[in-house]
Amino acid sequence: EPEVTQTPSHQVTQMGQEVILRCVPISNHLYFYWYRQILGQKVEFLVSFYNNEISEKSEIFDDQFSVERPDGSNFTLKIRSTKLEDSAMYFCASSPQGLNQPQHFGDGTRLSIL
Amino acid sequence: GEDVEQSLFLSVREGDSSVINCTYTDSSSTYLYWYKQEPGAGLQLLTYIFSNMDMKQDQRLTVLLNKKDKHLSLRIADTQTGDSAIYFCAENSNSGYALNFGKGTSLLVTP
Repeated sequence: EPEVTQTPSHQVTQMGQEVILRCVPISNHLYFYWYRQILGQKVEFLVSFYNNEISEKSEIFDDQFSVERPDGSNFTLKIRSTKLEDSAMYFCASSPQGLNQPQHFGDGTRLSIL
Repeated sequence: GEDVEQSLFLSVREGDSSVINCTYTDSSSTYLYWYKQEPGAGLQLLTYIFSNMDMKQDQRLTVLLNKKDKHLSLRIADTQTGDSAIYFCAENSNSGYALNFGKGTSLLVTP
């Protein structure tokens, strides 16, 4: 069964550094998403992306965050200047269509900011 | 903002049925979802139900939806130790793109 894959599984970064989290969505999916889960808290929506544009973003997704689909397979989340509070599990998801559709998640990248 | 509510813990004996409950807020949600998260792993889409259905059965899983009360439940028959995980209820947001998750119910299955 096709899967969403994320790399790396764990990323450790110094505060203030830039970090890029990578995702390969399921190949025939058109909509892509990033969520985060701070330890012990619920999963929170960050951003959705379709046709090379952001379709929706949450209040969490401020100017230090950006997303990109640099080629036909990868989908990336960049955090420009990391803060301690960015430490979390980051999940990528994809769906074949957008509105009100089931989303399939990757295993996540654990980001630890020191 | 809206909150999806779930009880935090459930403990059952192996072989018994488990029922995990959820209340949601957005009556316009087209689908409602159950995701499973095993320790250290990602979110596995377990099952989902279309909002015009009352019930959906998939092997050991039964989903019940009460739209009037905005109540969703997941029943796991013959619960096994491998079912121990955190179960998240989720609904589509008003916009339809984002998923709103509950805090998750931690299911512990004891031998």
